[in-house]
Amino acid sequence: ILNVEQSPQSLHVQEGDSTNFTCSFPSSNFYALHWYRWETAKSPEALFVMTLNGDEKKKGRISATLNTKEGYSYLYIKGSQPEDSATYLCASGANNLFFGTGTRLTVIP
Amino acid sequence: DGGITQSPKYLFRKEGQNVTLSCEQNLNHDAMYWYRQDPGQGLRLIYYSQIVNDFQKGDIAEGYSVSREKKESFPLTVTSAQKNPTAFYLCASRHLWGGGVNSPLHFGNGTRLTVT
Repeated sequence: ILNVEQSPQSLHVQEGDSTNFTCSFPSSNFYALHWYRWETAKSPEALFVMTLNGDEKKKGRISATLNTKEGYSYLYIKGSQPEDSATYLCASGANNLFFGTGTRLTVIP
Repeated sequence: DGGITQSPKYLFRKEGQNVTLSCEQNLNHDAMYWYRQDPGQGLRLIYYSQIVNDFQKGDIAEGYSVSREKKESFPLTVTSAQKNPTAFYLCASRHLWGGGVNSPLHFGNGTRLTVT
């Protein structure tokens, strides 16, 4: 079992603010790091899958970085919008993905 | 449109009864997964299957059973042996042979099971 931790547990930001959250995972035997966005009443949606140390990925206003040597990944949202409100999950592993408990983001208009 | 369909959305059962949750995908994905979510916990893997007629236990397989007779279908049976079956169950799938274990998961909308 991999211990994947996310922080903070929840976050409230004003519309237009930029924000970031953290995912930490065991650095040994690393295969991949996944980020998902889970909006209320919908199914989780994949944002990024990252595999290489130093990898950076971007999708619109959302970006992520990966440090496999120290075992962490950051997710950044630039200029938060109300539609960004969701729970953001990270997961690490290979065939068996181990999920963190998520960061619940609320963007206040 | 391709996707994963879980049914039903809500399911109620009496304690001691077995119940089967349906998961169907038309994405031609090789691998399928069942996760369980409980309040305050991350998604936990129950079972997964990488190929038809083969499946592996996840971290919390006790009290559950699965089958993979067709590539498209991966039903989960919650048996009476499962001590705390009330939970939210998510099914997922992904390609394996193209992207390997680095492929993202595609999720269904989930089934909320309540056992009283």
